[in-house]
Amino acid sequence: QSALTQPPSASGSLGQSVTISCTGTSSDVGGYNYVFWYQQLPGKAPKLMIYDVSMRPSGVPDRFSGSKSGNMASLTVSGLQAEDEADYYCSSYAGSTTWVFGGGTKLTVL
Amino acid sequence: EVQLVESGGGLVKPGGSLRLSCAASGITFSNAWMTWVRQFPGKGLEWVGRIKSKSDGGTTDIASPVKDRFTISRDDSKNTLYLQMNSLKTEDTAVYYCTTHSGWGYSDYWGRGTLVTVSS
Repeated sequence: QSALTQPPSASGSLGQSVTISCTGTSSDVGGYNYVFWYQQLPGKAPKLMIYDVSMRPSGVPDRFSGSKSGNMASLTVSGLQAEDEADYYCSSYAGSTTWVFGGGTKLTVL
Repeated sequence: EVQLVESGGGLVKPGGSLRLSCAASGITFSNAWMTWVRQFPGKGLEWVGRIKSKSDGGTTDIASPVKDRFTISRDDSKNTLYLQMNSLKTEDTAVYYCTTHSGWGYSDYWGRGTLVTVSS
């Protein structure tokens, strides 16, 4: 059982927007602005998409955005493209030099 | 280009040991904080542990489920990170990734992973 809760699946049509939630507690997501999102394409290693709740690394399209409210963080993918179909994982600092992950969400582009 | 290449995975019996290696290039390894992350067959990810650079103390932090069994070390002369795994259990079966640790703990570069299977 993962420490952070994500919906197992999400879907959206080409060009539409989809939001994936990541629910934790006041000891992790709610306690720190250190939430990260990773994209994992089939057979590949995860790739960092968002760090520190809403920051995008160089090279990540601005279609990807992150936010947080209380104990829940969210990843929004706007203008869905076929190549966005992947598994998405959230992660958060959890204090005492530990980090936790969500169980992952499979995003399907219809 | 940053490259992280893990090796050393394989099939091991419960109670056995294994040492994973991660060869790094394209970064100043001696200054890098490094992390091991594992991915279970059901696809969930789990943070395993982190090692600081020697200039920042070289200390390690290990996740509770493996704290008494796993050790992280580094050889900066070889640009290599290690994960020593002892008393392995079937639930340690996973793909083990080596990553760089930046900021407040995000992994900005990942290796391809090495599969560890613990089974009798």
